[in-house]
Formats: sequence, C-alpha cells, structure tokens
Amino acid sequence: DTAVSQTPKYLVTQMGNDKSIKCEQNLGHDTMYWYKQDSKKFLKIMFSYNNKELIINETVPNRFSPKSPDKAHLNLHINSLELGDSAVYFCASSPQDGNQETQYFGPGTRLLVL
Amino acid sequence: RKEVEQDPGPFNVPEGATVAFNCTYSNSASQSFFWYRQDCRKEPKLLMSVYSSGNEDGRFTAQLNRASQYISLLIRDSKLSDSATYLCVVNIRGYQKVTFGTGTKLQVIP
Repeated sequence: DTAVSQTPKYLVTQMGNDKSIKCEQNLGHDTMYWYKQDSKKFLKIMFSYNNKELIINETVPNRFSPKSPDKAHLNLHINSLELGDSAVYFCASSPQDGNQETQYFGPGTRLLVL
Repeated sequence: RKEVEQDPGPFNVPEGATVAFNCTYSNSASQSFFWYRQDCRKEPKLLMSVYSSGNEDGRFTAQLNRASQYISLLIRDSKLSDSATYLCVVNIRGYQKVTFGTGTKLQVIP
C-alpha cells in the first residue's frame, strides 16, 4: 500500500496551459505539504495544510493554487504554466505540523513545460 | 547567508571508507534536526534524527554542535548502496515548517 501517492508521475505540457497534480495520503496524517525541487536539486516548501487549513504559503506565484478537499488529499493546480515551472513537485505528509516529526514524501511529479 | 548550507560534493569514496558531511544552519532558534537521504530520481526519505547528545544507527552517526551551529553525519564502512544525496533538515522554533539543505552527493566507488 502506497503511503503518499501522487498523480501523474510525469507531466509534459505547453506554456500557458493549466494543469493539476493530485496527492493522497493514507497515513491518517493531519499535515500535508507541497515542495518544489528544481534542476539544482534544491527542495523548497511551497505550501502546508493542517487539517484542510492553509498554514504556510511561501512566496509562491498566485498561479499556483492548492486545494485540500479533506485532510487526506492536497491537490495543486497551476495556471498559465511557464518554462520556469519545470521541476519535480513532491507532496509530503506528517503526523503534526512538521515540528520534530518525520515527513513522508510521495514519489514526485516530474513537470516539463515546453 | 542561506538558512541551511551543505557542501554539494560530490564526495567520491572507495567502498569501506569512512566519510563525513557537515551542515551549518544560520538560525540559532533551530530546534530539531534530521538527515534525509534521496536516491537518484526518488523522493527524500528520513535517514535519522539528530539528538543533542549525538546518536548512532549502525554505520551511521549523527552529531549536533549547537555552539557552532552545525550538524554532522558520519558513515563508516561505506557500501555501494550508500550512494545518494544526503539532505540536512532543520526545524526552526516558532515556524511550522522544516528547511532543507541543498544536499551533499555521495558516490561510493567499487
């Protein structure tokens, strides 16, 4: 059973398109995250949700809109995709708010914008 | 100065060697510390937490130096399977997030 799953695993699209990435965790965790890992492998947090409520929004362009329909799901919608959005996007979850808790990552979604 | 800094490497070491990585953090309010491992084209996974008194897990030893604001990871008797990128992770008191370092790449050579 996959603990944190993401779909799709690969996403190739044209500039200007709108796309969504889905994330689900079956660990019963309260907190979920989206991270972006760029070509230099730097892993940077984008958003954090705790029990469906947004608690962190790190200077991310408003073209990125997370949605948490319930605490097991955190989806990421991206409008008007740009070349610079090409990266690997990781979803993660933790039992609480990440404070001294392990984060469990999904397998990543490799986004390529052409 | 970056919040969490690591030497990117790569560290190329022969099998059986001992290798050590350091990671420095800038915020003295940092509260908890971890090492994660990320294999090529895979997600990061927790390797070990770092406790104030230092801790060991098999061939891996993690230490924390609060005065100098750095943590270290020592790997003894390196195996080929240890080849990966090792990410230093710091949680800052009062912030509901963890901060990842850029990672140190290790390549163990036969």
